[in-house]
Amino acid sequence: GAGVSQTPSNKVTEKGKYVELRCDPISGHTALYWYRQSLGQGPEFLIYFQGTGAADDSGLPNDRFFAVRPEGSVSTLKIQRTERGDSAVYLCASSFGQGVGYNEQFFGPGTRLTVL
Amino acid sequence: GDSVTQMEGPVTLSEEAFLTINCTYTATGYPSLFWYVQYPGEGLQLLLKATKADDKGSNKGFEATYRKETTSFHLEKGSVQVSDSAVYFCALVRNAGGTSYGKLTFGQGTILTVHP
Repeated sequence: GAGVSQTPSNKVTEKGKYVELRCDPISGHTALYWYRQSLGQGPEFLIYFQGTGAADDSGLPNDRFFAVRPEGSVSTLKIQRTERGDSAVYLCASSFGQGVGYNEQFFGPGTRLTVL
Repeated sequence: GDSVTQMEGPVTLSEEAFLTINCTYTATGYPSLFWYVQYPGEGLQLLLKATKADDKGSNKGFEATYRKETTSFHLEKGSVQVSDSAVYFCALVRNAGGTSYGKLTFGQGTILTVHP
């Protein structure tokens, strides 16, 4: 079956511009996660959705970052007034959500964002 | 807060050599522990996991044992292959009441290169 997909795969923008990054989770997965991976580093958590609501947004670095998941499926990460330091690979993951035991997170290929 | 520390890389080995990648963690309570792998041009994939102390996770010839007393989860393989060349990430997720939830906390990653 289809895995997690992310679009675009690459995005180049200018400092100060607004960008949207899209994530399509695996069908039936209720939990969705966004991570950011800077060059040479491990992924860092940004936000986690359970259904339509953000269950944990403690990783969002500041109020320029915002994410939505209006119908509990596709999610969009929005970055306003982009800065050069926002350049990174943005990863999305999905899982079956909470329940007893561990629900494996399946990762998408990522969107590489470059802010010039 | 939670953190994961991996041995610094990169690691370069000849085919059939023994591999160890060290990982230690700091976390509240009793987290679940994971190794993820990122092959060139591909997304993050779960390699193996362990959900409680003394559990051993294994997959594709790789093993790691959850050592609570030393807060470690070292990755080992007895005989590496060229196809094992990838970036390896140690990670944890917090547990509460038997359920693993929310964000993964990753180490910085270790680049492994295996030569024929």
